[in-house]
This record gives sequence, C-alpha cells and structure tokens, in this order.
Amino acid sequence: DQQVKQNSPSLSVQEGRISILNCDYTNSMFDYFLWYKKYPAEGPTFLISISSIKDKNEDGRFTVFLNKSAKHLSLHIVPSQPGDSAVYFCAASARAQKLVFGQGTRLTINP
Amino acid sequence: DAGVIQSPRHEVTEMGQEVTLRCKPISGHDYLFWYRQTMMRGLELLIYFNNNVPIDDSGMPEDRFSAKMPNASFSTLKIQPSEPRDSAVYFCASSFGLAVTDTQYFGPGTRLTVL
Repeated sequence: DQQVKQNSPSLSVQEGRISILNCDYTNSMFDYFLWYKKYPAEGPTFLISISSIKDKNEDGRFTVFLNKSAKHLSLHIVPSQPGDSAVYFCAASARAQKLVFGQGTRLTINP
Repeated sequence: DAGVIQSPRHEVTEMGQEVTLRCKPISGHDYLFWYRQTMMRGLELLIYFNNNVPIDDSGMPEDRFSAKMPNASFSTLKIQPSEPRDSAVYFCASSFGLAVTDTQYFGPGTRLTVL
C-alpha cells in the first residue's frame, strides 16, 4: 500500500517557466516532508523539506507547499532551468521514523 | 570526504545465482539504509541499521534477501537465489541519526539485472 504517491510519472516544462510537482500522502501521522532530487547514474540528494507546523518553506528558486487538510504537498521551481531536469522524489516521515518515498516524477526542462 | 560508496555499480547475473551488493557508509554516520528503486514502487526501504544492528527489516521482500553490517564501515545486501523480478537499482544511504534534520546521504546505486 503506497502511503506516499506521486501520480505524475513525468512532467515537461519550458525553460524559465514554473515547474509544479505534486505529492499526496495517506498517513495522517506524517509530520515531516522532504523532496529529493536524482540525476541519472547518481543517488538521490536532499533538496528541501517542510515540517507539518508550516504550510510553506522557501529556498531560492524552490518552494514547498503543504496542505494538511488535503494531505497534499507540492514543489514549485521558479524559474525552471535546464539543470533542474531530474527525477524528484517526495518523502515523508512520522515522528522522526524512517522515510517513506513516492514513486518519483521525471522533470524535463526544455530550452 | 568521500560520500557513500557502493559496489559494484552494475551487476548482471542469471536467475538462481547469488548476488552480493556492498556499501561503505560515510564515516561517523550511525545509521545505514538499504533501498530499492523500481518504476512501480519508487524508492522502497528494505532494511536499516543503527550502530551495526538491524532495526527494521520489514521491507525485505522475502527470505531470499539478507543484509549484514559486520562493522561500522561495511554492509552487504545478499540475494540468494536471485530472480528476474529482483532487477532494480539498489541504493545504500547513511545518516547521523533519524531526526528530521539528519539528512540521508545516498550512494550512486547498484543497477542489478537478473536474466
């Protein structure tokens, strides 16, 4: 049973525009959420996170939004750059326990 | 400082053979994780260790899978016998702890193909 779901396997965005990656979760005990980024032939690397006590966290071009009532979070990248092309994994944890990852979304930024 | 090191990077084997994947975590990290990436399920946690002791192996798919951590700088994931459905990318990760601020650092992965 997939507790963290990324329903879009892929997303294509034009360079300079906004990229929005979505993630849904089912476990109401999750209190911390993360996004990891993965390039081909490399391991995932941490990108940005948000605690359940917040609804927004921003780091440069990357912003994560959390909607607890909808059990939904999203990652916004503005403006999108070619180097942002990668697979993005959403992850969640409950009370500092193990991370639960989604299936990933492949983002392609077109010039 | 070197990151998490995994070997081999690629492994091709035939069904029924034993496969051993290796991992060297970042020095000083107390937690080590083994993940498997597939298209359908994304990144799945197989097992994790704290100070070389297995804490949660609920993600290990079947008895064909086993993992060990004989010391703080080395871990193995073994599949015996291997099956085609085991084909995936296997990642090892390590962290200082399980707190939300303890980032997990991933190795480059081992791409396993079982024919």
